[in-house]
Amino acid sequence: AQSVTQLGSHVSVSEGALVLLRCNYSSSVPPYLFWYVQYPNQGLQLLLKYTSAATLVKGINGFEAEFKKSETSFHLTKPSAHMSDAAEYFCAVSDNAGNMLTFGGGTRLMVKP
Amino acid sequence: DGGITQSPKYLFRKEGQNVTLSCEQNLNHDAMYWYRQDPGQGLRLIYYSQIVNDFQKGDIAEGYSVSREKKESFPLTVTSAQKNPTAFYLCASSADPAGYTFGSGTRLTVV
Repeated sequence: AQSVTQLGSHVSVSEGALVLLRCNYSSSVPPYLFWYVQYPNQGLQLLLKYTSAATLVKGINGFEAEFKKSETSFHLTKPSAHMSDAAEYFCAVSDNAGNMLTFGGGTRLMVKP
Repeated sequence: DGGITQSPKYLFRKEGQNVTLSCEQNLNHDAMYWYRQDPGQGLRLIYYSQIVNDFQKGDIAEGYSVSREKKESFPLTVTSAQKNPTAFYLCASSADPAGYTFGSGTRLTVV
Protein backbone atom coordinates (compact mmCIF):
# COMPACT_ATOMS: atom_id res chain seq x y z
CA ALA A 1 0.00 0.00 0.00
CA GLN A 2 1.13 3.51 -0.66
CA SER A 3 0.28 6.79 1.02
CA VAL A 4 1.15 10.47 0.85
CA THR A 5 1.26 13.08 3.61
CA GLN A 6 1.38 16.77 2.89
CA LEU A 7 2.37 18.79 5.92
CA GLY A 8 0.38 21.98 6.18
CA SER A 9 -3.02 22.28 4.56
CA HIS A 10 -2.44 26.03 4.19
CA VAL A 11 0.83 27.86 3.52
CA SER A 12 1.13 31.63 3.24
CA VAL A 13 4.16 33.42 1.82
CA SER A 14 4.94 36.95 0.71
CA GLU A 15 5.49 37.72 -2.93
CA GLY A 16 9.17 37.16 -3.73
CA ALA A 17 9.71 34.78 -0.81
CA LEU A 18 10.74 31.14 -0.97
CA VAL A 19 7.97 28.61 -1.45
CA LEU A 20 8.37 25.25 0.32
CA LEU A 21 5.59 22.68 0.22
CA ARG A 22 6.26 19.44 2.04
CA CYS A 23 5.44 15.93 0.91
CA ASN A 24 6.31 12.59 2.48
CA TYR A 25 5.33 9.26 0.99
CA SER A 26 5.30 5.61 1.80
CA SER A 27 5.54 2.94 -0.85
CA SER A 28 6.50 -0.71 -0.84
CA VAL A 29 8.17 -0.41 -4.23
CA PRO A 30 10.27 2.34 -5.85
CA PRO A 31 7.81 5.10 -6.46
CA TYR A 32 6.95 7.55 -9.15
CA LEU A 33 6.22 10.91 -7.54
CA PHE A 34 4.26 13.85 -8.86
CA TRP A 35 3.33 17.40 -7.99
CA TYR A 36 0.15 18.86 -9.45
CA VAL A 37 -1.34 22.33 -9.25
CA GLN A 38 -5.06 23.08 -9.30
CA TYR A 39 -6.76 26.42 -9.83
CA PRO A 40 -10.38 26.87 -8.68
CA ASN A 41 -12.90 24.68 -10.50
CA GLN A 42 -10.27 23.31 -12.83
CA GLY A 43 -8.52 20.00 -13.34
CA LEU A 44 -4.99 19.12 -12.31
CA GLN A 45 -1.95 20.43 -14.14
CA LEU A 46 1.31 18.51 -13.83
CA LEU A 47 4.14 20.61 -12.38
CA LEU A 48 6.82 17.93 -12.34
CA LYS A 49 7.45 14.24 -11.79
CA TYR A 50 10.15 11.92 -10.52
CA THR A 51 10.58 8.63 -12.35
CA SER A 52 13.87 7.28 -10.93
CA ALA A 53 16.19 9.40 -13.05
CA ALA A 54 17.76 12.55 -11.55
CA THR A 55 16.77 13.14 -7.93
CA LEU A 56 16.41 16.89 -8.47
CA VAL A 57 13.51 17.46 -10.80
CA LYS A 58 12.77 20.74 -12.49
CA GLY A 59 9.25 21.57 -13.53
CA ILE A 60 7.20 24.31 -15.04
CA ASN A 61 6.79 27.85 -13.70
CA GLY A 62 10.14 27.74 -11.85
CA PHE A 63 9.21 24.92 -9.48
CA GLU A 64 11.52 22.07 -8.58
CA ALA A 65 11.49 19.12 -6.18
CA GLU A 66 14.12 16.83 -4.73
CA PHE A 67 13.58 13.11 -4.18
CA LYS A 68 15.21 12.00 -0.92
CA LYS A 69 14.86 8.27 -0.47
CA SER A 70 16.35 8.24 3.04
CA GLU A 71 13.75 10.75 4.20
CA THR A 72 10.93 9.42 1.97
CA SER A 73 10.32 13.01 0.95
CA PHE A 74 9.60 14.93 -2.24
CA HIS A 75 9.30 18.57 -1.18
CA LEU A 76 8.36 21.23 -3.74
CA THR A 77 10.23 24.53 -3.84
CA LYS A 78 10.30 27.77 -5.78
CA PRO A 79 12.87 30.49 -5.03
CA SER A 80 10.54 33.46 -5.47
CA ALA A 81 6.76 33.35 -5.17
CA HIS A 82 4.52 35.17 -7.63
CA MET A 83 0.90 36.15 -7.05
CA SER A 84 -0.05 33.76 -9.86
CA ASP A 85 1.31 30.82 -7.81
CA ALA A 86 -1.67 31.05 -5.45
CA ALA A 87 -3.45 27.73 -5.92
CA GLU A 88 -3.83 24.28 -4.40
CA TYR A 89 -0.96 21.86 -4.76
CA PHE A 90 -1.15 18.08 -4.59
CA CYS A 91 1.60 15.55 -4.15
CA ALA A 92 0.91 12.06 -5.50
CA VAL A 93 2.61 8.69 -5.73
CA SER A 94 2.19 5.78 -8.08
CA ASP A 95 4.06 2.52 -8.46
CA ASN A 96 4.86 0.37 -11.43
CA ALA A 97 2.66 -2.43 -10.15
CA GLY A 98 -0.72 -0.93 -9.40
CA ASN A 99 -0.64 1.82 -11.96
CA MET A 100 -2.76 4.08 -9.71
CA LEU A 101 -2.19 7.51 -8.27
CA THR A 102 -2.56 8.09 -4.54
CA PHE A 103 -2.85 11.72 -3.47
CA GLY A 104 -1.99 13.71 -0.42
CA GLY A 105 -4.59 15.97 1.15
CA GLY A 106 -3.37 19.06 -0.69
CA THR A 107 -1.78 22.34 0.36
CA ARG A 108 -3.39 25.66 -0.41
CA LEU A 109 -0.72 28.24 -1.17
CA MET A 110 -1.56 31.88 -0.52
CA VAL A 111 0.74 34.66 -1.76
CA LYS A 112 0.60 38.03 -0.02
CA PRO A 113 1.53 41.20 -1.89
CA ASP B 1 -5.25 17.93 -29.82
CA GLY B 2 -5.50 14.87 -27.61
CA GLY B 3 -7.04 15.12 -24.19
CA ILE B 4 -9.84 14.23 -21.82
CA THR B 5 -13.28 15.79 -21.99
CA GLN B 6 -15.58 15.75 -19.00
CA SER B 7 -19.18 16.84 -19.26
CA PRO B 8 -21.12 18.58 -18.00
CA LYS B 9 -18.98 21.08 -16.10
CA TYR B 10 -21.78 21.68 -13.58
CA LEU B 11 -24.53 19.20 -12.67
CA PHE B 12 -27.40 19.42 -10.24
CA ARG B 13 -29.08 16.35 -8.81
CA LYS B 14 -32.31 16.03 -6.92
CA GLU B 15 -32.57 13.73 -3.93
CA GLY B 16 -33.08 10.11 -5.01
CA GLN B 17 -31.98 10.69 -8.59
CA ASN B 18 -29.26 8.87 -10.50
CA VAL B 19 -26.97 11.01 -12.62
CA THR B 20 -24.22 10.09 -15.07
CA LEU B 21 -20.98 11.98 -15.56
CA SER B 22 -19.27 11.66 -18.91
CA CYS B 23 -15.55 11.12 -19.49
CA GLU B 24 -14.10 10.72 -22.99
CA GLN B 25 -10.44 10.53 -24.01
CA ASN B 26 -8.75 10.47 -27.42
CA LEU B 27 -5.26 9.70 -26.12
CA ASN B 28 -5.49 5.98 -26.80
CA HIS B 29 -4.80 5.31 -23.11
CA ASP B 30 -5.69 1.89 -21.75
CA ALA B 31 -6.30 2.96 -18.14
CA MET B 32 -8.95 5.37 -16.89
CA TYR B 33 -9.83 6.57 -13.40
CA TRP B 34 -12.49 8.46 -11.46
CA TYR B 35 -11.57 10.56 -8.44
CA ARG B 36 -13.74 12.47 -6.01
CA GLN B 37 -12.45 15.69 -4.49
CA ASP B 38 -13.75 17.20 -1.26
CA PRO B 39 -12.26 20.24 0.48
CA GLY B 40 -9.33 19.30 2.68
CA GLN B 41 -9.42 15.62 1.70
CA GLY B 42 -7.45 15.56 -1.49
CA LEU B 43 -8.56 13.22 -4.24
CA ARG B 44 -9.96 9.80 -3.49
CA LEU B 45 -10.21 6.99 -6.01
CA ILE B 46 -13.74 5.82 -6.83
CA TYR B 47 -13.22 3.33 -9.68
CA TYR B 48 -10.55 2.51 -12.20
CA SER B 49 -10.31 0.50 -15.38
CA GLN B 50 -7.11 -0.83 -16.88
CA ILE B 51 -8.70 -2.36 -19.95
CA VAL B 52 -11.97 -2.36 -21.85
CA ASN B 53 -14.78 -4.37 -20.23
CA ASP B 54 -12.96 -4.55 -16.91
CA PHE B 55 -12.95 -2.23 -13.90
CA GLN B 56 -12.17 -2.34 -10.19
CA LYS B 57 -13.44 -0.56 -7.12
CA GLY B 58 -11.30 2.11 -5.56
CA ASP B 59 -11.36 3.36 -1.99
CA ILE B 60 -14.86 4.90 -2.03
CA ALA B 61 -16.90 2.94 -4.61
CA GLU B 62 -20.12 2.64 -2.57
CA GLY B 63 -22.99 4.47 -4.25
CA TYR B 64 -21.24 4.68 -7.62
CA SER B 65 -21.18 2.55 -10.75
CA VAL B 66 -19.14 2.60 -13.96
CA SER B 67 -18.89 0.92 -17.33
CA ARG B 68 -16.06 0.54 -19.83
CA GLU B 69 -17.58 -0.61 -23.10
CA LYS B 70 -15.20 1.43 -25.24
CA LYS B 71 -11.57 2.35 -24.75
CA GLU B 72 -12.37 6.04 -25.13
CA SER B 73 -15.22 6.26 -22.63
CA PHE B 74 -15.56 5.68 -18.88
CA PRO B 75 -18.87 7.11 -17.60
CA LEU B 76 -19.58 7.35 -13.88
CA THR B 77 -23.08 7.01 -12.48
CA VAL B 78 -23.82 8.50 -9.09
CA THR B 79 -26.70 6.49 -7.72
CA SER B 80 -29.30 7.36 -5.11
CA ALA B 81 -27.36 5.11 -2.72
CA GLN B 82 -24.62 7.73 -2.55
CA LYS B 83 -25.79 9.79 0.43
CA ASN B 84 -23.42 12.68 0.09
CA PRO B 85 -22.70 13.15 -3.62
CA THR B 86 -21.94 16.86 -3.61
CA ALA B 87 -18.30 17.07 -4.71
CA PHE B 88 -15.93 17.80 -7.57
CA TYR B 89 -15.33 14.76 -9.78
CA LEU B 90 -12.18 14.31 -11.85
CA CYS B 91 -11.53 11.77 -14.56
CA ALA B 92 -8.01 10.74 -15.59
CA SER B 93 -6.33 8.41 -18.02
CA SER B 94 -2.86 6.94 -18.35
CA ALA B 95 -0.78 4.81 -20.66
CA ASP B 96 1.86 4.04 -18.03
CA PRO B 97 2.53 4.65 -14.31
CA ALA B 98 4.52 7.80 -15.07
CA GLY B 99 1.99 9.68 -17.15
CA TYR B 100 -1.53 10.75 -16.23
CA THR B 101 -3.84 13.22 -17.93
CA PHE B 102 -6.75 14.81 -16.09
CA GLY B 103 -10.01 16.25 -17.33
CA SER B 104 -11.30 19.62 -16.20
CA GLY B 105 -13.82 18.13 -13.80
CA THR B 106 -17.54 18.08 -13.09
CA ARG B 107 -19.00 19.81 -10.05
CA LEU B 108 -22.03 17.92 -8.80
CA THR B 109 -24.45 19.56 -6.38
CA VAL B 110 -27.49 18.06 -4.71
CA VAL B 111 -30.48 20.38 -4.67
